[in-house]
Amino acid sequence: QQPVQSPQAVILREGEDAVINCSSSKALYSVHWYRQKHGEAPVFLMILLKGGEQKGHEKISASFNEKKQQSSLYLTASQLSYSGTYFCGTGLFSGGYNKLIFGAGTRLAVHP
Amino acid sequence: DGGITQSPKYLFRKEGQNVTLSCEQNLNHDAMYWYRQDPGQGLRLIYYSQIVNDFQKGDIAEGYSVSREKKESFPLTVTSAQKNPTAFYLCASSKGQGANEAFFGQGTRLTVV
Repeated sequence: QQPVQSPQAVILREGEDAVINCSSSKALYSVHWYRQKHGEAPVFLMILLKGGEQKGHEKISASFNEKKQQSSLYLTASQLSYSGTYFCGTGLFSGGYNKLIFGAGTRLAVHP
Repeated sequence: DGGITQSPKYLFRKEGQNVTLSCEQNLNHDAMYWYRQDPGQGLRLIYYSQIVNDFQKGDIAEGYSVSREKKESFPLTVTSAQKNPTAFYLCASSKGQGANEAFFGQGTRLTVV
């Protein structure tokens, strides 16, 4: 049930690009992306709802494939402030209720 | 300002004691969630609630209990039955269904000694 994230960790130099993937064996109802700094609350980045959808947020963008089984988060020209753990989440219907669950996270470290 | 507040930020308890973590939101959100986060780990769902007086077990509900008597409040009790309660606990809320942005509180770091 839990979406699978890859890679588990990424180390970048400032200005480099990265891609974080989130996948599921079943179609996802939605995909959420959050970033968490150490010891802080996760911060919302974006939600994708439709197959084939793409969204951008400054130099951070995401896509949702047509089958809604995979989403990718693109970080371009990385900045030091991009460091943190990135989580993908999805709404999962279970027994008539909708719960929000997350992948295990991808740790991103950007160095000067 | 609207937001979601967790208290306290740090909490220490002796083994065998029950402890209640507070979560309050003034965003008028219907859905509320509790997650547990261990070092280097993801967010694991403990309990969630979509409406007042109704809540559902998440993936790791054993040893925890909740109540939802008011829309604004969703307290979590960590009972003595929870075998490894030391962790970072995060509360979140959203407008409802899983397609809405979740807002997180600042978390409570619970240490049981």
